[in-house]
Amino acid sequence: EIVLTQSPGTLSLSPGERATLSCRASQSISSLGWYQHKPGQAPRLLIYNTSFRTNGTPERFSGSGSGTDFSLTISRVEPEDFAVYYCHQCKSPPYTFGQGTTLEIK
Amino acid sequence: EVQVLESGGDLVHPGGSLRLSCAASGFTFSNYAMTWVRQAPGKGLEWVSSISGGGGKEHYADSVKGRFTISRDNSNNTLFLQMNSLRADDTAVYFCAKDRSVLTGYHYDYWGQGTLVTVSS
Repeated sequence: EIVLTQSPGTLSLSPGERATLSCRASQSISSLGWYQHKPGQAPRLLIYNTSFRTNGTPERFSGSGSGTDFSLTISRVEPEDFAVYYCHQCKSPPYTFGQGTTLEIK
Repeated sequence: EVQVLESGGDLVHPGGSLRLSCAASGFTFSNYAMTWVRQAPGKGLEWVSSISGGGGKEHYADSVKGRFTISRDNSNNTLFLQMNSLRADDTAVYFCAKDRSVLTGYHYDYWGQGTLVTVSS
């Protein structure tokens, strides 16, 4: 099983600041995705295949990385971006999620 | 409009069984793999199981393998999760999600709101 480790656990920022979330895999993977999850809502796919935004994902979100190290960057955090973010690999079963990074308002 | 709607969540005793359903609409159901993901209280997302569009390929998390069975009825646009030998640590909100491809492994672009399963005596 591929273990995904996200850091930091919690990121405290003010609106307008840049956010960088990391995801490290226990072994090399070809790609991963990023999901945003707000309490009481359905999770939302933001990025797939490491760097491709879904229709409706704002351009301020970008994904990058390869091998075992991946990241999600929010160029300027907006108030609606405060949520929990999960990385996910679904190329090698059993598929796995990271433990999540909480982006909170500073 | 794409919609997926879970049902079947309930309170069940340890060792009991439950079947979750997910009704899909707004897309050609058989053209897409489907997935179950759960979230235990206060915890993160956990992938549970995925099934290909034709139903011929299934994958399971180690934590549920041998106890849970995913299936689909493409004639009625419905996904199922049969859960047997339930344990307290299966307590979670279970989400149904549509994959981006007929094959598994391409991420999930539409999700339901979830259905709560509570395993307790």
